[in-house]
Amino acid sequence: DAGITQSPRYKITETGRQVTLMCHQTWSHSYMFWYRQDLGHGLRLIYYSAAADITDKGEVPDGYVVSRSKTENFPLTLESATRSQTSVYFCASSESSAGRTDTQYFGPGTRLTVL
Amino acid sequence: AQSVTQLGSHVSVSEGALVLLRCNYSSSVPPYLFWYVQYPNQGLQLLLKYTSAATLVKGINGFEAEFKKSETSFHLTKPSAHMSDAAEYFCARLNRDDKIIFGKGTRLHILP
Repeated sequence: DAGITQSPRYKITETGRQVTLMCHQTWSHSYMFWYRQDLGHGLRLIYYSAAADITDKGEVPDGYVVSRSKTENFPLTLESATRSQTSVYFCASSESSAGRTDTQYFGPGTRLTVL
Repeated sequence: AQSVTQLGSHVSVSEGALVLLRCNYSSSVPPYLFWYVQYPNQGLQLLLKYTSAATLVKGINGFEAEFKKSETSFHLTKPSAHMSDAAEYFCARLNRDDKIIFGKGTRLHILP
């Protein structure tokens, strides 16, 4: 009964390094999402995916890359980390489209610090 | 732009007292609205959602919210606060492009 998991839970990296945050869900949900949470901004959508091999930008996609080769995995990559990307990152999934009658289920989050 | 506004980044209530967390939405068309809760060091959990079926929506843990079109509000209430209710609460709405937009959150403190 794993649900949705994220790894690592904590990560410290340096400016300019590439970092990949992993997200895995066991429900075979079609939709997956990446958010970042920052004080004073709430949650902001970075990227989302409607199905394997289908991804789209959210509100704040710059500096991030995603892929979805398998339904259950949705990794988020920071190609060249910057200090402004220090944040808590949440992955979420839902059976179908983001709202309507379907609930988004959130992972526990990854706290990323970029030095 | 479509948005939700949460009034008060911090709210403190005494244990046993009424909890009222305020949320207003911007739109002339009633949207789908949600309340999520985030406990410390955890992800968000859905408390309740409004999908136009009924204006008073009951959620988990004794919470409910009332959709008021005339006030463009969707305030969250609980009659009697419990220490375990201490958390951050997010109001959210569904945008036209089917993405959820979150408010900035209200941290609820419960005083013994």
